[in-house]
Amino acid sequence: DAGVIQSPRHEVTEMGQEVTLRCKPISGHDYLFWYRQTMMRGLELLIYFNNNVPIDDSGMPEDRFSAKMPNASFSTLKIQPSEPRDSAVYFCASSPPSARNVYNEQFFGPGTRLTVL
Amino acid sequence: GQQLNQSPQSMFIQEGEDVSMNCTSSSIFNTWLWYKQDPGEGPVLLIALYKAGELTSNGRLTAQFGITRKDSFLNISASIPSDVGIYFCAGRRGSQGNLIFGKGTKLSVKP
Repeated sequence: DAGVIQSPRHEVTEMGQEVTLRCKPISGHDYLFWYRQTMMRGLELLIYFNNNVPIDDSGMPEDRFSAKMPNASFSTLKIQPSEPRDSAVYFCASSPPSARNVYNEQFFGPGTRLTVL
Repeated sequence: GQQLNQSPQSMFIQEGEDVSMNCTSSSIFNTWLWYKQDPGEGPVLLIALYKAGELTSNGRLTAQFGITRKDSFLNISASIPSDVGIYFCAGRRGSQGNLIFGKGTKLSVKP
C-alpha cells in the first residue's frame, strides 16, 4: 500500500513568495495532520482535520499560514508571504477512522524540506 | 504548547550495547507512542502503548507505559548500526486526535 505522499520533497524560495505544500493521505484514513519540525522547537502540530473538516488549528503560527482539505485524498498547506523563519521540514500524517481501528495511530509522510531565502 | 520531557538528548554507544531512553510529563496520557526517524524521512511508528503498566516488545525494542501514566521508557537491546536515528516519544490524552511529541533522542552507534 502507498503511504502518505507529500510534494514537493524540497522547496527553495525567496522571502515574500507564496509556497504551497501538498499531501495525499493513506486511502481510507479520515484524520490528517500537518506538522512542522525544526531543530529548536522539534515537532509541532500545526493543524489537523477529521473528515476534511479542520478540528484544531491552534498551532498555525499566524495568518500567513492556511490549510485546506477539499476532499478525502488531498490537502494543502500554504504560506503567503513566506519568511526565512518558516524554513523547516513540514510533515503530513494521517490516521484511520477510530470506528474501524480503535488504535488509530498516525503514519507520517516523508516531509517537505522548505528553505526560504 | 506543552511538550514531553525526553532524555537523554543524545547517546553515543558501542555496537552491541543496550540503550534506554525515557519520557516524562506533568500530565496524564492515555496513549504513549515511540517513533524512529531516519535522516530525510518521516517518523515511523515503533511501539504503541495503551494501558498503564503495559510492557510491549517489538524485536529488540521494549517499551513500557508507566503506572502513573505520566512516563514511558524505550529500551533497545544489543544495538546495531542501523539503530542510528532520532527516537521520539509521543503522548495523547484522548483516544484519538493530536499527539504531543518529545524533542527526541539522537542515537549514534559505533561499529
